[in-house]
Amino acid sequence: DIQMTQSPSSLSASVGDRVTITCRASQSISSHLNWYQQKPRKAPKLLIYAASSLQSGVPSRFSGSGSGTDFTLTISSLQPEDFATYYCQQSYSIPRFTFGPGTKVDIK
Amino acid sequence: EVQLLESGGGLVQPGGSLRLSCAASGFIFNNYAMSWVRQAPGKGLEWVSAISVSGGSTYYADSVRGRFTISRDNSNNTLYLQMNSLRAEDTAVYYCAKDDPWGRAYDSWGQGTLVTVSS
Repeated sequence: DIQMTQSPSSLSASVGDRVTITCRASQSISSHLNWYQQKPRKAPKLLIYAASSLQSGVPSRFSGSGSGTDFTLTISSLQPEDFATYYCQQSYSIPRFTFGPGTKVDIK
Repeated sequence: EVQLLESGGGLVQPGGSLRLSCAASGFIFNNYAMSWVRQAPGKGLEWVSAISVSGGSTYYADSVRGRFTISRDNSNNTLYLQMNSLRAEDTAVYYCAKDDPWGRAYDSWGQGTLVTVSS
């Protein structure tokens, strides 16, 4: 099975900050990497698919990059509504799409 | 607008059974593979099971294989998860999720239904 790791596990940031979250796969997954945002007591929401494609309706301050085993999610200017937990997910091993452990972004 | 509405969660004793349903609307249900994802209290997301468009192919996480059965009724736009021999570690919010058009991400999720396994 493909294992996913994320760093950091949590971070504190201020509104307007640039935030970067890293995700690593245990083997090459090409560009089959997605990012989700989850707010408390809500379902996850797809932000980025195929490593760098922005899901429809998602603000352009979110961006993704990477391929192979190393990926990043960047929020260019953190907004109050962005405080949430972010999960990466590999979609290389169809259909067993495993998730990373999550990164919680909270207010500094 | 895509809508996924789960139901069937609740409190069940260890060893018991429960069947979850996910009613889909707003898209052509029999054009998309579907999955179940769960989240234990305070924990991360865990893929549980997936089913092909026709229902002819099913897939399970090792943690539930042999105990859970995924199925779908394309005539009624409904996804199911039959859960047997439930354990305390199955306690979680269960989400149904719709594949994106390329079958490589989950572009819509239900609101989740809570399953609590406890005596």
